[in-house]
Order: sequence, then structure tokens, then C-alpha cells
Amino acid sequence: EDKVVQSPLSLVVHEGDTVTLNCSYEVTNFRSLLWYKQEKKAPTFLFMLTSSGIEKKSGRLSSILDKKELFSILNITATQTGDSAVYLCAPGFNKFYFGSGTKLNVKP
Amino acid sequence: EAGVVQSPRYKIIEKKQPVAFWCNPISGHNTLYWYLQNLGQGPELLIRYENEEAVDDSQLPKDRFSAERLKGVDSTLKIQPAELGDSAVYLCASSTGQGRNEQFFGPGTRLTVL
Repeated sequence: EDKVVQSPLSLVVHEGDTVTLNCSYEVTNFRSLLWYKQEKKAPTFLFMLTSSGIEKKSGRLSSILDKKELFSILNITATQTGDSAVYLCAPGFNKFYFGSGTKLNVKP
Repeated sequence: EAGVVQSPRYKIIEKKQPVAFWCNPISGHNTLYWYLQNLGQGPELLIRYENEEAVDDSQLPKDRFSAERLKGVDSTLKIQPAELGDSAVYLCASSTGQGRNEQFFGPGTRLTVL
């Protein structure tokens, strides 16, 4: 059975903190893992990871994939209130399996 | 570049009524997805199209749900008859396919069945 587990389920931090969000997976067909940010609307694409060990970066966000241990992490440094959202990961190939997300709340 | 367009944005209907959602993907995107998202959950795939062909509809409840993508561009998702449990957000996403899997989502349609 295909499974995606994200942890923690929710997280409350203060501005300036660094957070690490986790995504572990077991899916039948895997080629890449996608990360999305979802505020009160549709998910917004952040990263696509296909290779192990290669860190993807975009400003204060970075992500890395471990295809041997079947997990990915998303790091956010110097968090801002605008980072408050649900972060979703989705591994797969053509068909993608979304986790339930990590709800991040950044307080001023 | 215009994003994925969906309409309507909100829909309230009574149970047993039919409802339809429309999606226009990003120009040039051959792959189109319909997802259902319940509160507090991630999106769940209902159907995936490659051009006009439904290549994965294994999660579509075919007794009441149907979808079409005539001409391989716009798509319509229909529910008939709607049930209370169908209340959710229906998301459409598209990607170029061809080995690139980044999906871009539309704003979604929030369906409330009374």
C-alpha cells in the first residue's frame, strides 16, 4: 500500500527560527518527489527532487531527498510570518501521493 | 503566463442534485489532473489525463462521477447525483508531462452539498 507520512503534523515557531519538515514515503512507482506550500487556496509548487543527496535551494527554503532511506526534508531558515502555511510533499511517478501536510504557524 | 483556470470557485447544492466543474489548464500542458481535497488532508487523485485519454481513473467513483477532456485541452468533472460526503475542494492541476512532473494547481472549486 502506498504511504506518505509527514511530520510533525503541526509546528509553532517564532520569526527567525529555523524549521525542518519531514516526509517519509513508500510508493510503488517513484521518480520524483514534489513539495508544495498551501495557504488558504491551491497548493503552490516549491521543489521537485529526483536525485538523492542534491540539495535544492530557493531563498530561505531548501530541500533534500534520500532515495535509499525513502525520505525528504524541507528546511526553512529565518522564518517569517508569511511562511505560515501547510507544506505538502508528494512522491510518485505520473501518479503522485500527497501527504496530509505539516501545518506551520510562524508567530511574530 | 496564465495559470490553471477553474470555475466556479464556489458551489452550494442540495444532495441528489448534479454539479459540474470546469478546468482550463496552462497552455501547452498535456497532462491534466483532477484532485479532491478534504479539510486537513492532502489532495487525492481522481483522474489523470494525457491529452484526451484518461490514463488513470482508478480512484474515480464511476457510479456518480464522470469526467471528460474533449480535444485534449479543457476538462469537465461531473457529479450526479451529489451526496453529502462529496463536500470538498476539487482541484485541477496540469503539467507538461514528457518526464517533467511539476504540477501547477488551479484555485479549486469549493463544493458544499446540503
